[in-house]
Amino acid sequence: QVQLVESGGGVVQPGRSLRLSCAASGFTFSTYSMHWVRQAPGKGLEWVGVISYDGINKYYADSVRGRFTISRDNSRNTVYLEVNSLRVEDSAVFYCSREKQQLALSDVTDIWGQGTMVTVSS
Amino acid sequence: EIVLTQSPATLSLSPGERATLSCRASQNINHYLAWYQHKPGQSPRLLIYDTSNRASGIPARFSGSGSVTDFTLTISSLEPEDFAVYYCQQRNTWPLTFGGGTKVEIK
Repeated sequence: QVQLVESGGGVVQPGRSLRLSCAASGFTFSTYSMHWVRQAPGKGLEWVGVISYDGINKYYADSVRGRFTISRDNSRNTVYLEVNSLRVEDSAVFYCSREKQQLALSDVTDIWGQGTMVTVSS
Repeated sequence: EIVLTQSPATLSLSPGERATLSCRASQNINHYLAWYQHKPGQSPRLLIYDTSNRASGIPARFSGSGSVTDFTLTISSLEPEDFAVYYCQQRNTWPLTFGGGTKVEIK
C-alpha cells in the first residue's frame, strides 16, 4: 500500500545538525513532488518546504530558508530534510507528505507519514 | 508571505450540529485553498482542495466554499469522529502557508 515512513528524529543539542529521512513505498516515487511540514508542541502545522519530483525545484518557508535543505534520491525512493544550526524553537514533529497529482509542483498533499520527533535541548 | 487567519480558534458544538469554520487570506489566493483535519497522534488528512473539491473518501457532510480572500469549511452535521483541529492552507503563492487552526470540540 501507499506509505511514507519518516526516521532520523531524536534529541539534539542547539547548534547541531540532523538529517531526517522519509522512505516511500507503494507508488512511483520519482513522479511525485514531496513536502515537509512540522508541528511544534502545542502549536499548529507549519509548512517547511517542497522538492519537485525531479529534484530540480525547491522552495522553503522563510523561517527555515538557509538552514534547512531538502533533497531526494529517486533510486532509493527517499526524500531527506537536512536541518542545520538547530534552535530550541525547531523542536517539532516533522512530517513528510506526497502531492496528490503526479508530475506537479505546489499541489495539495494527500499522503502523509506518521512523523518523526525532533527535540532540540541542551 | 500570505497570512491565513482562521476563526474561531475554538468551536464548541454537539454531535449533529452544523460547524462553520472561516479562513481569511491576507491577499488574493484565487481558489487555491485546502482544508486538512488533524487529530492528536495521527497524521493530517486532506479534506477539501481548491476551495470546494472533496478529497477521495471524504464524506459529503464536509463542504467548502469561498473565493479571493474569504473561505469557509462547513460540516453539515457533526459526527463523533469529526472533533479535531482543522487547518486551511494556501498553494497560490510561495511559500505555502497554513492557518493557525480551528479546534472543534465537544460541547
